[in-house]
Amino acid sequence: QKEVEQDPGPLSVPEGAIVSLNCTYSNSAFQYFMWYRQYSRKGPELLMYTYSSGNKEDGRFTAQVDKSSKYISLFIRDSQPSDSATYLCAMSAIQGAQKLVFGQGTRLTINP
Amino acid sequence: NAGVTQTPKFQVLKTGQSMTLQCAQDMNHNSMYWYRQDPGMGLRLIYYSASEGTTDKGEVPNGYNVSRLNKREFSLRLESAAPSQTSVYFCASSEISATRSGRNTEAFFGQGTRLTVV
Repeated sequence: QKEVEQDPGPLSVPEGAIVSLNCTYSNSAFQYFMWYRQYSRKGPELLMYTYSSGNKEDGRFTAQVDKSSKYISLFIRDSQPSDSATYLCAMSAIQGAQKLVFGQGTRLTINP
Repeated sequence: NAGVTQTPKFQVLKTGQSMTLQCAQDMNHNSMYWYRQDPGMGLRLIYYSASEGTTDKGEVPNGYNVSRLNKREFSLRLESAAPSQTSVYFCASSEISATRSGRNTEAFFGQGTRLTVV
């Protein structure tokens, strides 16, 4: 079993829909959680960062962490075609990116 | 502000050939990393350098060597390329100091090098 599980999709939704992307994990020591967005043939770019549990909102994006269920989510409201990308979750138990564990990535397409 | 710059962007090698992937960052980060990304496997750490003068193995180091040339530059070398090393390679860097919220856990990535070994 992988430490971090993420449904690879692909996921296709109409423009304006609410999108929910999820990751589950098995290591209860994880406390640093990230979502990266990766456009085709580009490097991943940090989208959201959360320390420990709770919610974080940034514009149309909301990240949620539920440590009791070992489950993290990224919600995208009013989705736009420009949101079409692969979304990767990443997490770590310690500070420093050398122990980051990434999910497989979910490929998302927003249809106009 | 260029961030993390990788060269080359594309490369085709024959089995047994060697090459070096170059990476430079201009964010004054102490730590730098090399990842590979394969379909269905996500990103996997090859090597990292916590600070200038130090390097350590990651999850998949076999077949690779690294050099931390200075604070800005971190190179990845394939001494004898194999088809299994066909992948997209990403260099990344992260902030220097630890903070209560662990912001030095965020990695900033380059644009990637697409390597094909035939």
